[in-house]
Amino acid sequence: DAKTTQPPSMDCAEGRAANLPCNHSTISGNEYVYWYRQIHSQGPQYIIHGLKNNETNEMASLIITEDRKSSTLILPHATLRDTAVYYCIVSSGTYKYIFGTGTRLKVLA
Amino acid sequence: DGGITQSPKYLFRKEGQNVTLSCEQNLNHDAMYWYRQDPGQGLRLIYYSQIVNDFQKGDIAEGYSVSREKKESFPLTVTSAQKNPTAFYLCASRWQGTNQPQHFGDGTRLSIL
Repeated sequence: DAKTTQPPSMDCAEGRAANLPCNHSTISGNEYVYWYRQIHSQGPQYIIHGLKNNETNEMASLIITEDRKSSTLILPHATLRDTAVYYCIVSSGTYKYIFGTGTRLKVLA
Repeated sequence: DGGITQSPKYLFRKEGQNVTLSCEQNLNHDAMYWYRQDPGQGLRLIYYSQIVNDFQKGDIAEGYSVSREKKESFPLTVTSAQKNPTAFYLCASRWQGTNQPQHFGDGTRLSIL
């Protein structure tokens, strides 16, 4: 499974869009991009995933570049409750996720 | 409500003791996973099981054991051979389709007395 690179931390003003980048330059053709977030002392919460097309659900949007080497998670109107560590993972989905250290997003009032 | 239940939330162990962490899911998921998380780090895979009565080692299986006798249950035993067991343990499960995401429980925090 491919590895990912994310910035260690980001700040975002409450009510603004939070754009979290992820690089996955070694992604292979059958690997999906998954995003999770983890609030302190809780289990990771699934947000969204995609293969090559942009995806949107009630929580977020996922934009994957055409060459699939990077992606961006967009939280359209960040709230204080969105403060968490966000993990980007690429996996063929068979079994293994490789977690990095993620991006610590802080939403500021 | 469907979900993944881990118990207990906090667990204390004396040196030299084995301890078993419970993970139960009522989502009818096929595959189940155990991860370990140390402070400030990402999750690391300990064991996983894709079907009942079958399981495979992950990246850090030494000092741990599992069983998968029922589809809904995947208990993890931390043995005395695990030299540094203090950590946050997370259980996950998923359907077996190739792109299905894993869903996680709320974890068990294990500490050594």
